[in-house]
Amino acid sequence: KAGVTQTPRYLIKTRGQQVTLSCSPISGHRSVSWYQQTPGQGLQFLFEYFSETQRNKGNFPGRFSGRQFSNSRSEMNVSTLELGDSALYLCASSLAAGGQPQHFGDGTRLSIL
Amino acid sequence: AQSVTQLGSHVSVSEGALVLLRCNYSSSVPPYLFWYVQYPNQGLQLLLKYTTGATLVKGINGFEAEFKKSETSFHLTKPSAHMSDAAEYFCAVSVTVGNQFYFGTGTSLTVIP
Repeated sequence: KAGVTQTPRYLIKTRGQQVTLSCSPISGHRSVSWYQQTPGQGLQFLFEYFSETQRNKGNFPGRFSGRQFSNSRSEMNVSTLELGDSALYLCASSLAAGGQPQHFGDGTRLSIL
Repeated sequence: AQSVTQLGSHVSVSEGALVLLRCNYSSSVPPYLFWYVQYPNQGLQLLLKYTTGATLVKGINGFEAEFKKSETSFHLTKPSAHMSDAAEYFCAVSVTVGNQFYFGTGTSLTVIP
């Protein structure tokens, strides 16, 4: 069974640009969550999508948005990029049933110049 | 409200020594508990999980954890550290409603030869 796939693996952008990251969950998983990981802040929850609906949201500005498609694939968008957005962005999918673990992709490393 | 506390952001052990990584949680409902490991430039990999039943849970790579409800703890142990165990370890809790995961801040494990 294929794991969670995130594309691209690495991305370099400049301030003010926008970026879209993609996540393909494990087949059959309908829940997709996104996290931002930085050395100073650790792993921070961005949002979770389930059946194309945002179900949970972390404490991030509106520049961070996401969506989920009918095939459960998800995209995350960050507009007006800032230097502080440089991070590893991780996607995780799960069956969304009690006790089911989240399965992570290898992330997208975003660097802002 | 749910939260996870990992005591010790950095732990060093000698090769062959006992590994003990501490995790305490707070949860308003019976939790599901997880340990993940992260190697450099990779996503998080599930080590083990506790849902219901036996409180001593065995995971991959010789790790195990014990759920102690009275102490609200879920500490991770391994009898004998190996060089390949050097990584970042995250404790996480989830609850049934909404399937949101709450991660600790992580513990970086160094294994000294």
